[in-house]
Amino acid sequence: ETGVTQTPRHLVMGMTNKKSLKCEQHLGHNAMYWYKQSAKKPLELMFVYNFKEQTENNSVPSRFSPECPNSSHLFLHLHTLQPEDSALYLCASSQDTGGRYEQYFGPGTRLTVT
Amino acid sequence: AQKITQTQPGMFVQEKEAVTLDCTYDTSDPSYGLFWYKQPSSGEMIFLIYQGSYDQQNATEGRYSLNFQKARKSANLVISASQLGDSAMYFCAMREDRFSGGYNKLIFGAGTRLAVHP
Repeated sequence: ETGVTQTPRHLVMGMTNKKSLKCEQHLGHNAMYWYKQSAKKPLELMFVYNFKEQTENNSVPSRFSPECPNSSHLFLHLHTLQPEDSALYLCASSQDTGGRYEQYFGPGTRLTVT
Repeated sequence: AQKITQTQPGMFVQEKEAVTLDCTYDTSDPSYGLFWYKQPSSGEMIFLIYQGSYDQQNATEGRYSLNFQKARKSANLVISASQLGDSAMYFCAMREDRFSGGYNKLIFGAGTRLAVHP
């Protein structure tokens, strides 16, 4: 595997379900990000982890719970979601040691909450 | 106020022609970076090109170039010799370096949908 991978690619869940999104980066980066992309809205940063430590929580509801067990893996645990949480969830990673800091994205998980 | 403004919700271009996608930004930070990403219908965001605020020359990456006009706070993407595979959403993004601290906080624009016609 190369780059940033995300599983599952598609997820349909009811409002009472609990599910998790997984992200893995194979780039040796130290920072990982969760973004939400809703229709007709700019990309919204949700969480940032740097060296496994959460450095940003962008006022995200507690029904979204991130977990970063190591610098290569990032999870987003979901529970009691609302229909408005239906969106494309993108994971990204970057290397912080000077330079451009460009982020590399995974293919996303398209989430539908019914 | 919007930090990143992309005024063209949709653009179309004939194959093999050049196209310019507009991006203006707003920051008081003297040190920042500007990025362009491409998002095909499959969903992944693909990094295209980067311009640093102190870079003297406009960035180029293959068929992509960034027309950086610092005084006007614009960072337009130019795609030369358009191909059918260039049809996608294009996002401009900015990193303000005062948010440094080991990670890269990007602010994205709303995007421009480009359609390349044969």
